[in-house]
Amino acid sequence: GAVVSQHPSRVICKSGTSVKIECRSLDFQATTMFWYRQFPKQSLMLMATSNEGSKATYEQGVEKDKFLINHASLTLSTLTVTSAHPEDSSFYICSASDPGGRSYEQYFGPGTRLTVT
Amino acid sequence: ELKVEQNPLFLSMQEGKNYTIYCNYSTTSDRLYWYRQDPGKSLESLFVLLSNGAVKQEGRLMASLDTKARLSTLHITAAVHDLSATYFCAPQWGATNKLIFGTGTLLAVQP
Repeated sequence: GAVVSQHPSRVICKSGTSVKIECRSLDFQATTMFWYRQFPKQSLMLMATSNEGSKATYEQGVEKDKFLINHASLTLSTLTVTSAHPEDSSFYICSASDPGGRSYEQYFGPGTRLTVT
Repeated sequence: ELKVEQNPLFLSMQEGKNYTIYCNYSTTSDRLYWYRQDPGKSLESLFVLLSNGAVKQEGRLMASLDTKARLSTLHITAAVHDLSATYFCAPQWGATNKLIFGTGTLLAVQP
């Protein structure tokens, strides 16, 4: 089946610094990737839709200058949290669609737990 | 804006009992997914329901979709402790096929 990886799995950073999270589709090419954020004991909230070679589409209320998304290739999307603050601490999960397979289905990565101190 | 509500938010049940989780959504959607999440983990795909009237079963779980009522159900039969987890429904929506997740149902199966 389709596999999506994320790196790192856990990251701790100091307030004010930036951190980059990578999302890779390992055995398929993903024209579309999605980024979600999940706070403890809450649901997943869609942050943005990332399309290869074009600008990401952000959901209402998500600051695009704070959460920079780059989808430079068909197998890699990155999320950079700029000037991170403790309130950005969360579980970040990406997913990818396989246009060559069942294009409507999303395959989820294992998630990245970000802690900002 | 698509809103998704699950009912109940928390479910404590005994092993061997049956129960149903409900997922209501506010805007037309032709596809709906059910996921399981264990603590500290990402999502595990359970079911994808592709059309009105779709019913799928895997082990002790059965999911159904009524697109006209904008309702999906996840039925648990003869629950076992291993089913303890958080369950999310997620209708698929829009030209980009984005998923909008429900509030989640935390299921605790007691021995």
